[in-house]
Amino acid sequence: GQNIDQPTEMTATEGAIVQINCTYQTSGFNGLFWYQQHAGEAPTFLSYNVLDGLEEKGRFSSFLSRSKGYSYLLLKELQMKDSASYLCAVYSGGYNKLIFGAGTRLAVHP
Amino acid sequence: GAVVSQHPSWVICKSGTSVKIECRSLDFQATTMFWYRQFPKQSLMLMATSNEGSKATYEQGVEKDKFLINHASLTLSTLTVTSAHPEDSSFYICSETNSDHNEQFFGPGTRLTVL
Repeated sequence: GQNIDQPTEMTATEGAIVQINCTYQTSGFNGLFWYQQHAGEAPTFLSYNVLDGLEEKGRFSSFLSRSKGYSYLLLKELQMKDSASYLCAVYSGGYNKLIFGAGTRLAVHP
Repeated sequence: GAVVSQHPSWVICKSGTSVKIECRSLDFQATTMFWYRQFPKQSLMLMATSNEGSKATYEQGVEKDKFLINHASLTLSTLTVTSAHPEDSSFYICSETNSDHNEQFFGPGTRLTVL
């Protein structure tokens, strides 16, 4: 079956660093995505990992370990606008279906 | 990245009516588009994969006779919610994938409210 787990909620302080973890068990793996979604809006692309290791993009970094079925999204220098849901998603299947985790709601406080 | 539009952005309808949602790829010829549904405070659930010129592939538990998908051209896929009921009220989002399949581009979503 398909299973993607991530924490439901997290809180952090403005200016701090937060790490959002994601573990997955899927039938087939063609890459892992992180998306940011603000309430009432569509998801926006943050990162894509298909090989093991760390991908850095500005304040956001994403890590993947395929052998462990594990990824994390690292957000540095948190800003209030980073308060949103963060969705971990795995590309799986012949049509490259994107299977989403339940999302992690991050609240950034002053 | 690719630009995907959806129309309408929101719709309110009476129970029993049918609602059509359009998903357009504005700058990319998408042979494959995806339809998702998202209930409040929940994640996106894939409903179906829309293939240009052929029948859509529906996920388990999604009624194909209730959620009609038509992908008649490389730039347009439509989702019709037939005989909508209040439990169909949700946020419907379409997406398309690039040729390398390493990114999906999402439309802005359509919020459906069935009274």
